[in-house]
Amino acid sequence: GDSVTQMEGPVTLSEEAFLTINCTYTATGYPSLFWYVQYPGEGLQLLLKATKADDKGSNKGFEATYRKETTSFHLEKGSVQVSDSAVYFCALSDRGGNQFYFGTGTSLTVIP
Amino acid sequence: GAGVSQSPSNKVTEKGKDVELRCDPISGHTALYWYRQSLGQGLEFLIYFQGNSAPDKSGLPSDRFSAERTGGSVSTLTIQRTQQEDSAVYLCASSQAGSSTDTQYFGPGTRLTVL
Repeated sequence: GDSVTQMEGPVTLSEEAFLTINCTYTATGYPSLFWYVQYPGEGLQLLLKATKADDKGSNKGFEATYRKETTSFHLEKGSVQVSDSAVYFCALSDRGGNQFYFGTGTSLTVIP
Repeated sequence: GAGVSQSPSNKVTEKGKDVELRCDPISGHTALYWYRQSLGQGLEFLIYFQGNSAPDKSGLPSDRFSAERTGGSVSTLTIQRTQQEDSAVYLCASSQAGSSTDTQYFGPGTRLTVL
């Protein structure tokens, strides 16, 4: 069945460091891919998404490219800020939209 | 406009009791999802409603779990004869049309503790 595997945390970085959170997926069809973020004390919210191969999602300086050949959707940011401290979830949805599959989440802490 | 709301925000109950968790989706959203988030785990899909179609209940972990969606809007997740392993945060999300490309909007969750 469909599934998502993401890098385990926690991750601690200094401000302005480069961030990569790895995400790979298994899917039988052509899923859409998402990164959701959960800031401390807040609900899950969409960070970015890509709906077909080679698409790049971007938001708030974060980017992720839908790589069908490597079944990956790694999250990157060139220079993290303290305000980026949160838990990041990679997710995919099947073609029917019935089910979404989420990774276990990666906790990021950025220190000044 | 208003986002997805859930109530109660916290629920503490004794083992064996029944609980009801409520979700109010964003007005006009036809798709509604329930998930469970246990400590150290990802989000576990429970059930999906789309318009007037029969719900996809394939994620419900046991027959103690059930959910309804009345009038295509408010949804209630019921857990009967709660067990300690039911302790988790229960999240509700809605999306505009339930397609695979739609963004899901999440509520703040209900933290359930079964003593």
